[in-house]
Amino acid sequence: DAGVIQSPRHEVTEMGQEVTLRCKPISGHDYLFWYRQTMMRGLELLIYFNNNVPIDDSGMPEDRFSAKMPNASFSTLKIQPSEPRDSAVYFCASSRTSGRDFFGPGTRLTVL
Amino acid sequence: AQTVTQSQPEMSVQEAETVTLSCTYDTSESDYYLFWYKQPPSRQMILVIRQEAYKQQNATENRFSVNFQKAAKSFSLKISDSQLGDAAIYFCAYRSLLGGGSEKLVFGKGTKLTVNP
Repeated sequence: DAGVIQSPRHEVTEMGQEVTLRCKPISGHDYLFWYRQTMMRGLELLIYFNNNVPIDDSGMPEDRFSAKMPNASFSTLKIQPSEPRDSAVYFCASSRTSGRDFFGPGTRLTVL
Repeated sequence: AQTVTQSQPEMSVQEAETVTLSCTYDTSESDYYLFWYKQPPSRQMILVIRQEAYKQQNATENRFSVNFQKAAKSFSLKISDSQLGDAAIYFCAYRSLLGGGSEKLVFGKGTKLTVNP
């Protein structure tokens, strides 16, 4: 199994641009989580899905952030427009019900 | 809402020695999971150990063991025979069981562990 796949691994963009982060969970996993890691705030959940349905998006910072899971094998996190304070490492993780979480390698986003 | 506190931002240990990382949490729930994750410089999040709150026996995984004190809401990680590869940021995390055991993870701020040769 390839594990959780995230792309891109690194993204550098300018303020105001749209950014799309992608995640492919492990096949058969029914939960998908998006986390953000910053020095100031640590690791925090942005949103998570169960069977492709968003369950808790209370961590999404503002309307500039949106996430979709059109099918069981793909999810996107979009930031539009991006701002320098969005610079962080974004992790995707997947799991089965009551199973352990498997994290992707993360996407390091830098907004100039 | 649940919170997780790691009071030691940084710690160091000599190779082959033992070190204990502290974690406390706050919850009103009686059933939950607790985790320790390791994040080496590669940035990858690696599960070290998991503890179910209903189990009184402390979890162990090779050189890693926990001291779970449910009443005190304390969950410390002991690393025995420390190795250079143990150098990483260690995160304590909490997961509610209310949603069937797959709710979000709530993380502490992390403890950066340095292993000295």
